[in-house]
Amino acid sequence: DAGVIQSPRHEVTEMGQEVTLRCKPISGHNSLFWYRQTMMRGLELLIYFNNNVPIDDSGMPEDRFSAKMPNASFSTLKIQPSEPRDSAVYFCASSPPTSGRPALEQYFGPGTRLTVT
Amino acid sequence: AQKVTQAQTEISVVEKEDVTLDCVYETRDTTYYLFWYKQPPSGELVFLIRRNSFDEQNEISGRYSWNFQKSTSSFNFTITASQVVDSAVYFCALSEVGGGGSNYKLTFGKGTLLTVNP
Repeated sequence: DAGVIQSPRHEVTEMGQEVTLRCKPISGHNSLFWYRQTMMRGLELLIYFNNNVPIDDSGMPEDRFSAKMPNASFSTLKIQPSEPRDSAVYFCASSPPTSGRPALEQYFGPGTRLTVT
Repeated sequence: AQKVTQAQTEISVVEKEDVTLDCVYETRDTTYYLFWYKQPPSGELVFLIRRNSFDEQNEISGRYSWNFQKSTSSFNFTITASQVVDSAVYFCALSEVGGGGSNYKLTFGKGTLLTVNP
């Protein structure tokens, strides 16, 4: 089975431009998570969805960031307008249904390395 | 709020040495899960182990072993006879079980960079 798929793998853009990161979770998984990794702050959860519904977006840094999950197999993270401080690696992860069972491990995609100049 | 502390920022060992990575956590919940992830130089995050708060039995998987001690809120990771391929950043993470059976978010430590020299 394919793992979590993210695109693009690398993105270089100029300050002020809109950036859209894409994620396809593992088939059958019903939870999806967006993380950001920087040297200064480590791995931070930005937002997570359960059954396509945003559950917790308290990690989204500001209104320039938005995320959507229109269906169970696709999610986007958009930054508009982008700024140099948004430069980071953005990871998408998914996890399978719990059906009353405890939380399970998250499976991470390869990440998108974003550079904003 | 939950918190994960990995006090060791970097560790450097020589191949075949044993090495222990420390992880200390804080949580108010009685039900929670602890994880270790590996991030090799290629950048992807690889799941290594999950442990629940009710199971304090230590676990061994090949050269890897994990020591979970609830009394000290620690979940340490030992690599025996380290190899160059073990060089990576290792993250400890904590997850609380969300209400309604929904998956819940992971809180990660800052990670420990392990370098194994030949």
